[in-house]
Amino acid sequence: DAGVIQSPRHEVTEMGQEVTLRCKPISGHNSLFWYRQTMMRGLELLIYFNNNVPIDDSGMPEDRFSAKMPNASFSTLKIQPSEPRDSAVYFCASSPVHSSYEQYFGPGTRLTVT
Amino acid sequence: AQSVAQPEDQVNVAEGNPLTVKCTYSVSGNPYLFWYVQYPNRGLQFLLKYITGDNLVKGSYGFEAEFNKSQTSFHLKKPSALVSDSALYFCAVREVHRDDKIIFGKGTRLHILP
Repeated sequence: DAGVIQSPRHEVTEMGQEVTLRCKPISGHNSLFWYRQTMMRGLELLIYFNNNVPIDDSGMPEDRFSAKMPNASFSTLKIQPSEPRDSAVYFCASSPVHSSYEQYFGPGTRLTVT
Repeated sequence: AQSVAQPEDQVNVAEGNPLTVKCTYSVSGNPYLFWYVQYPNRGLQFLLKYITGDNLVKGSYGFEAEFNKSQTSFHLKKPSALVSDSALYFCAVREVHRDDKIIFGKGTRLHILP
């Protein structure tokens, strides 16, 4: 299996632009998680889905952030409009639903907003 | 509410010496416990987990962890440290029978000195 796939790996954009991050989970995994990592705040859970349904989005920082999972093999995290403080590494992770299973992380998308 | 504490931001160990990275947790029920490692510019990688059974769990790269229910701890250990073990280590907890989000600690940076 190729593991969790994220694209793009790097994104540089100007403040005010829309940014879309993409994730393909491991086949057969029905939980998907979006995280953000910064030096100041560490690793933060933004939102997670079970069976394509958003379960907890309490970590989404503002209405500028939105996430979708239209099917079991694809999810997007969108920031519109982007701001410099959104600069971070964004990780996607997937796992089977049962809580005994570990999560598998993608390589991350490094976002820089200038 | 679930929580995880990693009391040390950084741990320095000489190569060849034993290492310990500390983790304590809080859940209302029984826990599933996990350790992850993050190398520079990479996603988190699963190291080991405690689900049930033996309190001493063995994982990847020679790491092990001991579950101590009375002290609510799950410290990561390795008998002989390698320079290549230098990385950021995260402890995480999930509550049994709750298909819920996993709670990560803030991470401990491990430096192995040659």
